[in-house]
Amino acid sequence: GNSVTQMEGPVTLSEEAFLTINCTYTATGYPSLFWYVQYPGEGLQLLLKATKADDKGSNKGFEATYRKETTSFHLEKGSVQVSDSAVYFCALRENAGKSTFGDGTTLTVKP
Amino acid sequence: EAQVTQNPRYLITVTGKKLTVTCSQNMNHEYMSWYRQDPGLGLRQIYYSMNVEVTDKGDVPEGYKVSRKEKRNFPLILESPSPNQTSLYFCASSLYSGGTGNTGELFFGEGSRLTVL
Repeated sequence: GNSVTQMEGPVTLSEEAFLTINCTYTATGYPSLFWYVQYPGEGLQLLLKATKADDKGSNKGFEATYRKETTSFHLEKGSVQVSDSAVYFCALRENAGKSTFGDGTTLTVKP
Repeated sequence: EAQVTQNPRYLITVTGKKLTVTCSQNMNHEYMSWYRQDPGLGLRQIYYSMNVEVTDKGDVPEGYKVSRKEKRNFPLILESPSPNQTSLYFCASSLYSGGTGNTGELFFGEGSRLTVL
């Protein structure tokens, strides 16, 4: 079956540091890939997505590139802010029925 | 405002007492799904529905039931809750165009924290 493996947390960074959260996946077909973010006490919301190989998703300074050859979708941001503190989930959706999520990575950004 | 609404947001109950968590969306989405979130396990899919009267099991369906009688509503039913169903539950919805052509993003509710004593 499908699976998503993402970097274990928690991750603690200082403000303005560079962020990378690794995500790799296993899928039988050609999934769409997503990063969702969960702020404290809230539901998940879409951060960015990519629907085919070599697509780059971007939003709010975050970026991730769909790499089919390495089955990866790493999340990056050049300069994190305190407000980026949240839990980040990598996910794939291969058909309309099921989505598969990683375990989540907790990011804390300190001033 | 486009949203997915879950109720209740918090519930403490006892083993064996039937409960229902409601989920409603106002985006005319065909697809709806339930997940549970547990520490160290991420999100796991319980049940999903591609459209009215069409439901299917996710990865962890045991102990849960669902129904989809109307497009906007997708309640999660725990007929006889047990302590291992203590968790944070999320409902989500998305568009669905059929076949394998739709892989759009999910829209999530704010979650329902359930404690079973």
